[in-house]
Amino acid sequence: NAGVTQTPKFQVLKTGQSMTLQCAQDMNHEYMSWYRQDPGMGLRLIHYSVGAGITDQGEVPNGYNVSRSTTEDFPLRLLSAAPSQTSVYFCASRSPLGGYNEQFFGPGTRLTVL
Amino acid sequence: QQQVKQSPQSLIVQKGGISIINCAYENTAFDYFPWYQQFPGKGPALLIAIRPDVSEKKEGRFTISFNKSAKQFSLHIMDSQPGDSATYFCAADTSGTYKYIFGTGTRLKVLA
Repeated sequence: NAGVTQTPKFQVLKTGQSMTLQCAQDMNHEYMSWYRQDPGMGLRLIHYSVGAGITDQGEVPNGYNVSRSTTEDFPLRLLSAAPSQTSVYFCASRSPLGGYNEQFFGPGTRLTVL
Repeated sequence: QQQVKQSPQSLIVQKGGISIINCAYENTAFDYFPWYQQFPGKGPALLIAIRPDVSEKKEGRFTISFNKSAKQFSLHIMDSQPGDSATYFCAADTSGTYKYIFGTGTRLKVLA
């Protein structure tokens, strides 16, 4: 079991560039989510998904897109990167839906936007 | 808006001492309160969690105390060790909403 994997680990972008952060899990979890972590602000929810084909916005969704075509994968797309999107991004998954089970986090992607 | 307030921002404790981190919440619909531990360069990992039907939960050296009327909960780390040096996040969740709300984190350093 690899758990939750994220690629890349580090990325530097220029303002206006687009890119996709990859997230995959092999635990057959229905629920997946993306968070960003900024100093002094904790983890803030960007988008989440409760199953293939179902996504919804979190607390800070602007500038990000997601899709969920399979149970395993949940990519996060930055459409036009801005310096304000410099952050560490974490993907997480959990199961079952509606239960209190823990969230499993990936190792994170550190993104710098110049 | 910050619905879960965490304090202190940082904490330094001597080896063997007690580390205490506090969180307060506003939304009475929250019904699950986990604590996550994060080491540098790693993702957060669940440490311990509590539901509001109990006032305390203990797992080894880690204890959550929960005060429903005051809308507060805290993490106590007994006999703190240098290996406990990490960032700790409290969180709150409402069943069926799929939206954890995290506190801002506490950076704990345990001196050897």
